[in-house]
Amino acid sequence: EVQLVESGGGLVQPGGSLRLSCAASGFTFSSYWMHWVRQAPGKGLVWVSRINSDGSSTSYADSVKGRFTISRDNAKNTLYLQMNSLRAEDTAVYYCARDGGRIARGAFDIWGQGTMVTVSS
Amino acid sequence: EIVLTQSPATLSLSPGERATLSCRASQSVSSYLAWYQQKPGQAPRLLIYDASNRATGIPARFSGSGSGTDFTLTISSLEPEDFAVYYCQQRSNWPLYTFGQGTKLEIK
Repeated sequence: EVQLVESGGGLVQPGGSLRLSCAASGFTFSSYWMHWVRQAPGKGLVWVSRINSDGSSTSYADSVKGRFTISRDNAKNTLYLQMNSLRAEDTAVYYCARDGGRIARGAFDIWGQGTMVTVSS
Repeated sequence: EIVLTQSPATLSLSPGERATLSCRASQSVSSYLAWYQQKPGQAPRLLIYDASNRATGIPARFSGSGSGTDFTLTISSLEPEDFAVYYCQQRSNWPLYTFGQGTKLEIK
């Protein structure tokens, strides 16, 4: 079964750091671009970051650029999001999502269940 | 930045009716538009990619159309499980991606 499982969320104080992980299974992880998407409570979806298949290219939304770092370990089939200098407005459910690849490039065809990040004092 | 505007914000219909959801882009996104369905407490699910291609396992009652700046998601005959929030998303402005604000499809 194709699956993504996020972990690492929790409560953190403003200015703090957190690292999210996303474990992939059921597909050849190293062949796919991956994304992080977040959703604040009661709000819509917001794309956060993307990484290409070998980790050599990344991109970020302006709202997180310089604070968040996306990375991957293809040997461990795991995607990461290092979040630094966290703000209250970063509070959200964070989803990892697989890029649709050659068939559906730029569409997110597999999603994890999400992990909640709460930034509060 | 490409802005996607979805309308209406809320659509109230009954099972069996036809639903038409709109997504308008602030500039052309060619056919690089996707649609997602999200139910409460669940992750989004890809319905349509590249404006009109159904994703794997998506029922035929879901269809997408449009190109350039105007797109439509149509659900031909609503089933009870179709009541959810729907989002459009563009990849034309690669490597940046944006979502619309969503349309809530509710039972009338």
